[in-house]
Amino acid sequence: AQSVTQPDIHITVSEGASLELRCNYSYGATPYLFWYVQSPGQGLQLLLKYFSGDTLVQGIKGFEAEFKRSQSSFNLRKPSVHWSDAAEYFCAVGYLMEYGNKLVFGAGTILRVKS
Amino acid sequence: GAVVSQHPSRVICKSGTSVKIECRSLDFQATTMFWYRQFPKQSLMLMATSNEGSKATYEQGVEKDKFLINHASLTLSTLTVTSAHPEDSSFYICSASPGTGATGELFFGEGSRLTVL
Repeated sequence: AQSVTQPDIHITVSEGASLELRCNYSYGATPYLFWYVQSPGQGLQLLLKYFSGDTLVQGIKGFEAEFKRSQSSFNLRKPSVHWSDAAEYFCAVGYLMEYGNKLVFGAGTILRVKS
Repeated sequence: GAVVSQHPSRVICKSGTSVKIECRSLDFQATTMFWYRQFPKQSLMLMATSNEGSKATYEQGVEKDKFLINHASLTLSTLTVTSAHPEDSSFYICSASPGTGATGELFFGEGSRLTVL
């Protein structure tokens, strides 16, 4: 069965420092991978996605993620964190059903940014 | 990007009543919409897949008689929580895709917070 593991429940970084959020997945075929961000009490916004091709994916707000098949990982990175990046981040793996793309989410990582 | 809207964003109801949540795709047609439930400090759990013009497909462990889903048109899906109880209090999020297939990006609504007293 498909599954996503985000090993870090909380992460605190200083503003301006670099960030890496970990994501490991379990999926039998080629995965379709996503990172979403959720601010408190709000829906999800897509940061970036990987379907195929270049394993380093650029997203919005200066985020990037690298797909590493050998490690079954899709870690999210940002070189310099801003206070507005404080939110909860979800990694997800999508797989194709006959009626569209079904997502399985990780448990999420809460990012706190200290000034 | 495409816009998905949910209404209401917050609802408080008495135990035993039914509550309807709407999910609309504002600028695209969605053959399929997905309903998720998010418990506090937890991830999103897929409840069901809503298909326009046919019955919803429920995930294992989700009571289909408790959570009624109707996908009446290509832009509207509704989730009705019937005979709501306090344990149904949660954040419900819908999503939709403008296209089918693995490359169909999912767009999420703002979520609806249900509180059952």
